[in-house]
Amino acid sequence: EIVLTQSPVRLSLSPGERATLSCRASQSVGSQLAWYQQRPGQVPRLLIYDTSNRATGIPARFSGSGSGTDFTLTISSLEPEDFAVYYCQQRIDWPKTFGQGTKVEVK
Amino acid sequence: EVQLVESGGGLVQPGESLRLSCIASGFTFTTFRMSWVRQAPGKGLEWVANIGPDGYGKHFADSVEGRFTISRDNTKNSVYLQMNGLRDEDTAVYYCARDGGAPQFDYWGQGALVTVSS
Repeated sequence: EIVLTQSPVRLSLSPGERATLSCRASQSVGSQLAWYQQRPGQVPRLLIYDTSNRATGIPARFSGSGSGTDFTLTISSLEPEDFAVYYCQQRIDWPKTFGQGTKVEVK
Repeated sequence: EVQLVESGGGLVQPGESLRLSCIASGFTFTTFRMSWVRQAPGKGLEWVANIGPDGYGKHFADSVEGRFTISRDNTKNSVYLQMNGLRDEDTAVYYCARDGGAPQFDYWGQGALVTVSS
């Protein structure tokens, strides 16, 4: 099973600041990594797929990069609605696995 | 508009069974794999099971292998999760998710709460 480790667990920032979230895989997932956002009390929402492709309707302030085992989700300037939990997920192999999540909270 | 609507959640005792249903609309159901993903209270996301467009190609998480089965009825645009031998640790919100390959879980239902408790 491919284990995804996200860091940091919590990220305390202010609106307008840049957020950088990391996801490290226990073995290569190529470019087959996605990012999801889950706001409190809401359903997870796909943000980025295959490392760097924004899903439909996702604002340009969200961007993804990386390859192999190290990936990054960047939010260029935090909006109030961006404070949420973010998960990475790999699709290269079964079982599909998620990271444990990074909570982006208001400083 | 893509919609996924789960039903069938509830409170059961350990060892009992429950069947979740998910009705899909707004897309060509027969061309997509479908998955179930769960989230225990206050915890992260855990993929549970996946089924191919034709009902074959099933995959399960180790934590549910042998206890859960997944099926679909393409005439009803529905996917099901039969959960047997339920345990306390199966308590979670269960989401139905469309698996588009790339992107994978691009649409999610609102979730069905399953509580396993004596």
